[in-house]
Amino acid sequence: QVQLVQSGAEVKKPGSSVKVSCKASGGTFSSYAISWVRQAPGQGLEWMGRIIPILGIANYAQKFQGRVTITADKSTSTAYMELSSLRSEDTAVYYCARDLPELQFYFDYWGQGTLVTVSS
Amino acid sequence: QSALTQPRSVSGSPGQSVTISCTGTSSDVGGYNYVSWYQQHPGKAPKLMIYDVSKRPSGVPDRFSGSKSGNTASLTISGLQAEDEADYYCCSYAGSWVFGGGTKLTVL
Repeated sequence: QVQLVQSGAEVKKPGSSVKVSCKASGGTFSSYAISWVRQAPGQGLEWMGRIIPILGIANYAQKFQGRVTITADKSTSTAYMELSSLRSEDTAVYYCARDLPELQFYFDYWGQGTLVTVSS
Repeated sequence: QSALTQPRSVSGSPGQSVTISCTGTSSDVGGYNYVSWYQQHPGKAPKLMIYDVSKRPSGVPDRFSGSKSGNTASLTISGLQAEDEADYYCCSYAGSWVFGGGTKLTVL
């Protein structure tokens, strides 16, 4: 059984950066892809980007290009999402989610979510 | 990519059926059979309900079904139950992923 466990809630100042982690257990981390999806308060889901850890290759939604960096540490089965130049509109719950590259085009396991609050 | 279009809300009485639509373009919904649907209860992470347009993961009741015609996908929930009350999101893969805006299902 795959489990994705995310780091805890963060409060950040505008202009700063935040780094959220997603630790995977169960399955084979190197066979996964991990995406990051965010949800602003009362809003819908928004895909931000994805990494294939075994390749170390990440791709990002155009909206977040240049501001988000997704990385992965195979030794600890952990993916990270760093968002910079934070503004109030980035206040959201950030989820990690798994898919299997080239095998499945949907997210079958999700982390519990990490609330990031951007406030001065 | 623009978000897929879903109705803001739908409702039905217990035992009835409801259908939630999800409209995209020929570049996403219409171009790939990779539409998925997620259920989200308040304060919880999304849960996969349908994948590849019409397939159900193990453990999802067969009251949930999916279909697609052209650029519009649909999720149908039959025999509505109180626990089905939640937000539902469609999602399409098209080189990357795009979600719908979400539909709030109210069980009357």
